[in-house]
Amino acid sequence: EAGVVQSPRYKIIEKKQPVAFWCNPISGHNTLYWYLQNLGQGPELLIRYENEEAVDDSQLPKDRFSAERLKGVDSTLKIQPAELGDSAVYLCASSLANHEQFFGPGTRLTVL
Amino acid sequence: QQQVKQSPQSLIVQKGGISIINCAYENTAFDYFPWYQQFPGKGPALLIAIRPDVSEKKEGRFTISFNKSAKQFSLHIMDSQPGDSATYFCAASRNDYKLSFGAGTTVTVRA
Repeated sequence: EAGVVQSPRYKIIEKKQPVAFWCNPISGHNTLYWYLQNLGQGPELLIRYENEEAVDDSQLPKDRFSAERLKGVDSTLKIQPAELGDSAVYLCASSLANHEQFFGPGTRLTVL
Repeated sequence: QQQVKQSPQSLIVQKGGISIINCAYENTAFDYFPWYQQFPGKGPALLIAIRPDVSEKKEGRFTISFNKSAKQFSLHIMDSQPGDSATYFCAASRNDYKLSFGAGTTVTVRA
């Protein structure tokens, strides 16, 4: 069974540019999460989806970050415009309802 | 505000030794305490988890000890192997979904 797929794995952009990350969850998982992981820190939840509904986006900086999960499967996280402080690993995870979360490998973003 | 505090930041142990990582929490509403293992370039993977109705859970060489009154829990890795070298994160949540992670402990097992 395939795990959580994320792309790209690495992204280097200049500040003020837009960037987007894509996530394909494990088949059948209705709950999808986006996390931010800074170097040397644990992941921090940005947004949680149940099917196509964002049920917790309280930690998402809505001035520059946006996310969508069309048709309740794949999801995209976007940053526009990117800032130097956005350099981090962006992790996607999925689960069946409130059960174990399975994480993808992450996208490492570097903003120059 | 970090809801789960983890220590030490890093540790080195000889092969066959015991690694111990400690975590403390404040929110008494937390009811699920998992430990995740993360290798470089990979996402975290669930290692073992415990709920507050038990004081200890063992899976193979990994044991969680839980002290509800002290609001502390710890991970013990027995007979540490070089393949255990990774970063370990404790976490806590209420109703399973919103995980609050500790800052992580980098474990290095020397052969």
